[in-house]
Amino acid sequence: DTGVSQDPRHKITKRGQNVTFRCDPISEHNRLYWYRQTLGQGPEFLTYFQNEAQLEKSRLLSDRFSAERPKGSFSTLEIQRTEQGDSAMYLCASSLGQGGKTQYFGPGTRLLVL
Amino acid sequence: GQSLEQPSEVTAVEGAIVQINCTYQTSGFYGLSWYQQHDGGAPTFLSYNALDGLEETGRFSSFLSRSDSYGYLLLQELQMKDSASYFCAVRPSGNTPLVFGKGTRLSVIA
Repeated sequence: DTGVSQDPRHKITKRGQNVTFRCDPISEHNRLYWYRQTLGQGPEFLTYFQNEAQLEKSRLLSDRFSAERPKGSFSTLEIQRTEQGDSAMYLCASSLGQGGKTQYFGPGTRLLVL
Repeated sequence: GQSLEQPSEVTAVEGAIVQINCTYQTSGFYGLSWYQQHDGGAPTFLSYNALDGLEETGRFSSFLSRSDSYGYLLLQELQMKDSASYFCAVRPSGNTPLVFGKGTRLSVIA
């Protein structure tokens, strides 16, 4: 399978704990995006990378959130001191070039904060 | 700010045609995309319009009118498997990420 993969698919954690998610994009794609999606809503942009450079961060991304793409391949999204409001589906997408036309999404990581 | 408006729910009969509208107000406009998402699944790309007019891909077509800040997705010969959520998304500029609408939940009934 050469699509976008995410790990884990599901995560349950207690409030205050730290969690880290991983995204492996399609191998030749230079752009990688993180989105958050809650029930009944569309994906909301969090941040994106072009190669290893983080180019933009949404105001949704509080100081508790950090993302990296150290070698321009896979990316990690860490949430520190999780809150119940962080419960959502975290989606990763990748594209070749500016990619506004076609972004390829991974299956997502569903986070539940108790 | 950026906002996209689309109906929250649409119901249609198997074999029929359905149109899902999307109006947008964004700081800029580079193109309108449509994505399909089944329950529990990932959004998958359906169609893209950068210029006015109709784009056709099999049973799916998408239309754009930039002067009206309006587009629609047309699904023909509806099948039960088309039951899903459909999102319109705008790219405000060439270097900005997509801004998604809240989605339209399509239910196809027999």
